[in-house]
Amino acid sequence: DTGVSQDPRHKITKRGQNVTFRCDPISEHNRLYWYRQTLGQGPEFLTYFQNEAQLEKSRLLSDRFSAERPKGSFSTLEIQRTEQGDSAMYLCASSLAAGGPYNEQFFGPGTRLTVL
Amino acid sequence: GENVEQHPSTLSVQEGDSAVIKCTYSDSASNYFPWYKQELGKRPQLIIDIRSNVGEKKDQRIAVTLNKTAKHFSLHITETQPEDSAVYFCAAPRGSTLGRLYFGRGTQLTVWP
Repeated sequence: DTGVSQDPRHKITKRGQNVTFRCDPISEHNRLYWYRQTLGQGPEFLTYFQNEAQLEKSRLLSDRFSAERPKGSFSTLEIQRTEQGDSAMYLCASSLAAGGPYNEQFFGPGTRLTVL
Repeated sequence: GENVEQHPSTLSVQEGDSAVIKCTYSDSASNYFPWYKQELGKRPQLIIDIRSNVGEKKDQRIAVTLNKTAKHFSLHITETQPEDSAVYFCAAPRGSTLGRLYFGRGTQLTVWP
């Protein structure tokens, strides 16, 4: 499968625990995005990397959230001290930078987080 | 603001009829407008996009129109089929150089056979 992959697909955790998600983008894509989607809503932008540089973060990304893309390939999103309001689908997407700022963003299957 | 407004939230049509979903955006510098289809339990997938240098784009039964003056764009699906049933999202960037997309709240389209 050469598409965007995410791991795990589902995560159930207790309030206060830390969780980490991984995203593997399409191999030649140098842009990587994290979004959060709750029921009945569209994806909400969280953060964006070009290669290993984190270029933008949403105000939604509180201090408990941190994202990394250390080698410009896979990325991790960590949530510390989870809260019930963090329960959502976390989507990763990737795209190519070549040809201009807007090229198709390919989404992964998402990680569904449930905080009890 | 940065909102993308999408209407309607639900749409039911008979198979073979047309469906139209409309979105408005606020940033006049936005220049890229994609539409994504998300089937239940699946990832969003791009179905069509339009850039601000054109007013309309077609791909078989799907078309998108853009009115930059009014800051709105629409998705048109003709000859709808039951497999078109899904949630459709429009999106627009903030400004012309940033990577982030703002998504609408989605339209649940149901096509009845």
